[in-house]
Amino acid sequence: DAGITQSPRHKVTETGTPVTLRCHQTENHRYMYWYRQDPGHGLRLIHYSYGVKDTDKGEVSDGYSVSRSKTEDFLLTLESATSSQTSVYFCAISESRDRESYEQFFGPGTRLTVL
Amino acid sequence: GQSLEQPSEVTAVEGAIVQINCTYQTSGFYGLSWYQQHDGGAPTFLSYNGLDGLEETGRFSSFLSRSDSYGYLLLQELQMKDSASYFCAVYSSASKIIFGSGTRLSIRP
Repeated sequence: DAGITQSPRHKVTETGTPVTLRCHQTENHRYMYWYRQDPGHGLRLIHYSYGVKDTDKGEVSDGYSVSRSKTEDFLLTLESATSSQTSVYFCAISESRDRESYEQFFGPGTRLTVL
Repeated sequence: GQSLEQPSEVTAVEGAIVQINCTYQTSGFYGLSWYQQHDGGAPTFLSYNGLDGLEETGRFSSFLSRSDSYGYLLLQELQMKDSASYFCAVYSSASKIIFGSGTRLSIRP
């Protein structure tokens, strides 16, 4: 199994508070992704990174920001959490040699509840 | 616009064969992937098709027709442990990656 961890695994917070989720990998993979998963919507890409300090927006980026200061860490921040951001958040990584691999390895997920 | 369509639920019998279809609409298409997810777990990669045709990996096969914007996942010799949700995902220049809503596969003894 690819070495990906997410922290925290569970979090309950209140509307309006800032929240940061962390994804840590030990595989030295170039590409990292943040997804959210909600019933009936499958997985939706929030942001992704193609290298240190290189990030881009995904399908549902509003209300989220990311940072990647080291290859192994990709942080997802909700500046002011809202109830609509209650979801399960997955981090994923993919290997890169000459180009991005289409095989993604997923972390165990973080269940976030915003009250 | 971009869209993926796959059935929400499929039921099959243990030992049988089941096919899960995925149709897509996107621009700048690169390829189609399939992922499996058990309840409470993380998605795991099953296959990727970048070219037309069939890719086989053990009991699982995946097919792509770029001209028809269509693919499918074929599961043979179904086992109870194959009960899970299956997601198709399209890679494109337009949207990086989009996942379908998932097909929940239930297997009866």
